[in-house]
Amino acid sequence: GEDVEQSLFLSVREGDSSVINCTYTDSSSTYLYWYKQEPGAGLQLLTYIFSNMDMKQDQRLTVLLNKKDKHLSLRIADTQTGDSAIYFCAEFPNTGGFKTIFGAGTRLFVKA
Amino acid sequence: KAGVTQTPRYLIKTRGQQVTLSCSPISGHRSVSWYQQTPGQGLQFLFEYFSETQRNKGNFPGRFSGRQFSNSRSEMNVSTLELGDSALYLCASSSPSVSGGDGYTFGSGTRLTVV
Repeated sequence: GEDVEQSLFLSVREGDSSVINCTYTDSSSTYLYWYKQEPGAGLQLLTYIFSNMDMKQDQRLTVLLNKKDKHLSLRIADTQTGDSAIYFCAEFPNTGGFKTIFGAGTRLFVKA
Repeated sequence: KAGVTQTPRYLIKTRGQQVTLSCSPISGHRSVSWYQQTPGQGLQFLFEYFSETQRNKGNFPGRFSGRQFSNSRSEMNVSTLELGDSALYLCASSSPSVSGGDGYTFGSGTRLTVV
């Protein structure tokens, strides 16, 4: 079935690293994504990783992919108060359904 | 370049009425997807259009419908509104002919409140 699971809340101190975890179910997924949603806004694509990669780094963001366990993580280094938002993990199954499946979102709280 | 534009931003409707929401994708994007976002259900897929054709539809009742025009602009319609239709409706456009790939660009959404 189609399901993306992630924990609902994460609280960190400013300057610490944040790690948001996600599991997905469809092994055919070619692309896996992280989106960020700030209050009153739509979702913003942060980064994505191809299924044939293990890791991708983009400035303060590091994405790790474990295909065997269908586990995806997003690490934010030196977390800032401006990083407080909801982070969504998403997969795009390569089954011709033309839809991206989103997790429920992890609300990140950054304490000053 | 202009982002994805959704209109209106806010709507208040009465049960039983119908509503039409509009989405203008990024210029050159031909795929438009719609999602319903609620606190309890998260992001639920409504439909996806490409070149005026609906390629996929989510598990929503027939009261939810949509269409795409030749300029890639899309509309969705909800008839006979129910209280449970209150949600943030998000439109997303993407570039490649197969949606996915470099991901979606989302609009800011239309906040629909049914009273």
